[in-house]
Amino acid sequence: EDQVTQSPEALRLQEGESSSLNCSYTVSGLRGLFWYRQDPGKGPEFLFTLYSAGEEKEKERLKATLTKKESFLHITAPKPEDSATYLCAVQDSGGGADGLTFGKGTHLIIQP
Amino acid sequence: DSGVTQTPKHLITATGQRVTLRCSPRSGDLSVYWYQQSLDQGLQFLIQYYNGEERAKGNILERFSAQQFPDLHSELNLSSLELGDSALYFCASSGEGGNGNTIYFGEGSWLTVV
Repeated sequence: EDQVTQSPEALRLQEGESSSLNCSYTVSGLRGLFWYRQDPGKGPEFLFTLYSAGEEKEKERLKATLTKKESFLHITAPKPEDSATYLCAVQDSGGGADGLTFGKGTHLIIQP
Repeated sequence: DSGVTQTPKHLITATGQRVTLRCSPRSGDLSVYWYQQSLDQGLQFLIQYYNGEERAKGNILERFSAQQFPDLHSELNLSSLELGDSALYFCASSGEGGNGNTIYFGEGSWLTVV
């Protein structure tokens, strides 16, 4: 069974204070690892897909990296508008299912 | 805007009742997924349809059912509702069966069972 564990559960940073969110995963075969951002009461908003170890992707102040067992979402010089819950999910290459298995998320608060 | 449309946005109903949630996927996407999000469980995969056929089942209760119609829109039917069914229900869609492609989520339908 696929498993995704995110840490920390919650993180409070000052504006401009860089940090990283962790996503550890167990999957029989990784088809893709996804990062989403979710604001309260809204649907998850797609950020990145990573496919293989060593891959990195960047978008504004966010950079996602992938190893064989975990992924990191690095946030550089965050702003208050980066406050949200960040979700990590894996897509298994086995079987016919394409659905994602999600972690419980990291609730990020950026204080001005 | 992800392009995935869900209705209704909010729904309040009584225990024992039945409701239907509707989803229109992004234009051209063949796969539709349904997820349930509650405070303690996070996002849970319920079911996937691909081009009208059921492709995969997750943690979907027997009281719940779904279908995808020829125009690719999908409906999630929830019956004999219980208080514990109160949650946000998300629809998502992807192209080519989600084979590594991005899965886009709608804004959700908030169900409250009283």
